[in-house]
Amino acid sequence: DVKVTQSSRYLVKRTGEKVFLECVQDMDHENMFWYRQDPGLGLRLIYFSYDVKMKEKGDIPEGYSVSREKKERFSLILESASTNQTSMYLCASSPHPGLAGVGEQYFGPGTRLTVT
Amino acid sequence: AQSVTQLDSQVPVFEEAPVELRCNYSSSVSVYLFWYVQYPNQGLQLLLKYLSGSTLVKGINGFEAEFNKSQTSFHLRKPSVHISDTAEYFCAVRLSGYSTLTFGKGTMLLVSP
Repeated sequence: DVKVTQSSRYLVKRTGEKVFLECVQDMDHENMFWYRQDPGLGLRLIYFSYDVKMKEKGDIPEGYSVSREKKERFSLILESASTNQTSMYLCASSPHPGLAGVGEQYFGPGTRLTVT
Repeated sequence: AQSVTQLDSQVPVFEEAPVELRCNYSSSVSVYLFWYVQYPNQGLQLLLKYLSGSTLVKGINGFEAEFNKSQTSFHLRKPSVHISDTAEYFCAVRLSGYSTLTFGKGTMLLVSP
């Protein structure tokens, strides 16, 4: 079974702090994704990566950056956390469509981040 | 750009009743379609997917969905729900040739005894 793990289930940070959210997958997937989930808004894509050191902006990249130094690990960075970044953050991975399967995404359990 | 509309934000239903969760998408090119389920305080789990071929797709936990190209719909159904089906359900679409998914805003299924 594909396993996607996230470093924390719950996190509380102060405004202005630098925050790192870590995600690791064990299935050698090419693609990795970061979403935030807010009530009534569904999932919104922040960034994704299709290879090591490669990244693409999603729908809401402002205030975030990412890092992918190794294939299995994808980090989301909040350079200076703000209260409007309080949310559930979900990481996902998928094989590249066409190489294996049709690119369905596998999700981690999520990190609920509160910024006070 | 593609979009996904889940017409109901909440669907209350009694246990053992049938349910249908509606999903419509907009796209002018070939798509792959997915339904995910999210139980409280958990990540998303793949319920089923439509790739090609038969328009009726069966998934886990007794769910099925029907792809209707002319109506650009992919509605999720279950003939008899259980309390344990209480969760949020997300419809998602992926365009052929792309890696990203576009999600609907979710439908909360509330099953009561």
